[in-house]
Amino acid sequence: AQSVTQLDSQVPVFEEAPVELRCNYSSSVSVYLFWYVQYPNQGLQLLLKYLSGSTLVKGINGFEAEFNKSQTSFHLRKPSVHISDTAEYFCAVSANYGGSQGNLIFGKGTKLSVKP
Amino acid sequence: NAGVTQTPKFQVLKTGQSMTLQCAQDMNHEYMSWYRQDPGMGLRLIHYSVGAGITDQGEVPNGYNVSRSTTEDFPLRLLSAAPSQTSVYFCASSRDPGGQPQHFGDGTRLSIL
Repeated sequence: AQSVTQLDSQVPVFEEAPVELRCNYSSSVSVYLFWYVQYPNQGLQLLLKYLSGSTLVKGINGFEAEFNKSQTSFHLRKPSVHISDTAEYFCAVSANYGGSQGNLIFGKGTKLSVKP
Repeated sequence: NAGVTQTPKFQVLKTGQSMTLQCAQDMNHEYMSWYRQDPGMGLRLIHYSVGAGITDQGEVPNGYNVSRSTTEDFPLRLLSAAPSQTSVYFCASSRDPGGQPQHFGDGTRLSIL
């Protein structure tokens, strides 16, 4: 079985500062990794995904994440945040069974609050 | 394309009542799923379906039923509502469960009194 741990439930930052949202996963098989964003009263939108290949993945809105297999991490970063980045961010993992995929397992979320 | 459409957006029920949350997608996706979102808990999988006529249980299936008679529709039924089922419910679809990104509906906010 897979599990996801988001190490910070809330992250406050000032506008234009860099931010890192941390995510660690556990799995006995290869995985696919995702970050989703949820704005207030909306559904989830995909920010970026790691399926294979380059461990540095770039997503929408200037976000990027790096897959680190040895540390089982997939931290999300942005060099300069905007007020509009205030949202809740979810890390998610699914098993890669080499041809079929498992269900998506979500972390508990990190609320990013960007202050002026 | 409308994507994933959930109805209703809000609902208040009394304990013991039953209801069906509707979910429809127009992307011809085989995989559909239902999640519930509770504060501090993230999203937890209730039921999922890998195609018409095929459903299976997720992490928290008790108290919920699903069916998948068509590719487009995946309704979630609460048989006898309980206060513990007060939550925000999200339906999602994708071409497959893991490797492809999931498309989410806007959610149904359900309160059980």
